[in-house]
Amino acid sequence: AQTVTQSQPEMSVQEAETVTLSCTYDTSENNYYLFWYKQPPSRQMILVIRQEAYKQQNATENRFSVNFQKAAKSFSLKISDSQLGDTAMYFCAFMKHGNNNDMRFGAGTRLTVKP
Amino acid sequence: GAGVSQTPSNKVTEKGKYVELRCDPISGHTALYWYRQSLGQGPEFLIYFQGTGAADDSGLPNDRFFAVRPEGSVSTLKIQRTERGDSAVYLCASSRTTGGEQYFGPGTRLTVT
Repeated sequence: AQTVTQSQPEMSVQEAETVTLSCTYDTSENNYYLFWYKQPPSRQMILVIRQEAYKQQNATENRFSVNFQKAAKSFSLKISDSQLGDTAMYFCAFMKHGNNNDMRFGAGTRLTVKP
Repeated sequence: GAGVSQTPSNKVTEKGKYVELRCDPISGHTALYWYRQSLGQGPEFLIYFQGTGAADDSGLPNDRFFAVRPEGSVSTLKIQRTERGDSAVYLCASSRTTGGEQYFGPGTRLTVT
C-alpha cells in the first residue's frame, strides 16, 4: 500500500518570502504521479502542481515548484514570493499509473502567510 | 463550463438515519471519485466510477455505504444507519478520462448527531 507523509502540521511565512513544504511517500511502484493540492477554507481542492515520476525535470508553475527526489521518495513544494492568498491547507498526494486511479493523500500542512 | 457541484453543502442528520449526497461532475467527464475527509486529515478514497460502473469500491468502509451513477453522469453516495463516526466532509471529483487531472467539488459536510 502507498502511504504519504507530511511531517509539518503547520507552517508560517512572511509575505513575499519563500517557504518549502515537505512530503515523503512510500511505494514499490515505478510509474506514478505526485500532486500538491491547495484547500482554502472554502473546502475546494485546487491542483497546484503535478509531477510524473518518469520525468526527471522538476515541475514548475509560476511561483510554485517542486523538488522531486525519486530515489529518496521525497516531493517537496516550494512557494516563492508568498502571497496572502496562499494561506490554506496543502496536501501532497500520490496516484499509481494505470487503472487504479484513487489518490492517496497526506494529512496536510496548514500554511499561514503573514502580512 | 461549470465545475463539479455537490449538494447539499451541509447536512445534519440524527444517528441511525439514511442520507444521500449528490455529485454533479463536469460535463463530459467519464471518471468520478468519492473521497471522505475527516477533521484534520487528508481526503480518503472511497469509490471510483468509470462511466456507470463502479471500477473500484475498495475504499468504502462497510456495507452501510453505497454509491450509484446510473446514467454515467450524476452520482449519489448513500449512507444507511448513519453513525457519529460518519461525520466528515465528503468530496467528489471528476476527470475527463481515467488517470486524468481530478477536479474537485466543494464537498458536503455531513454531521451525524
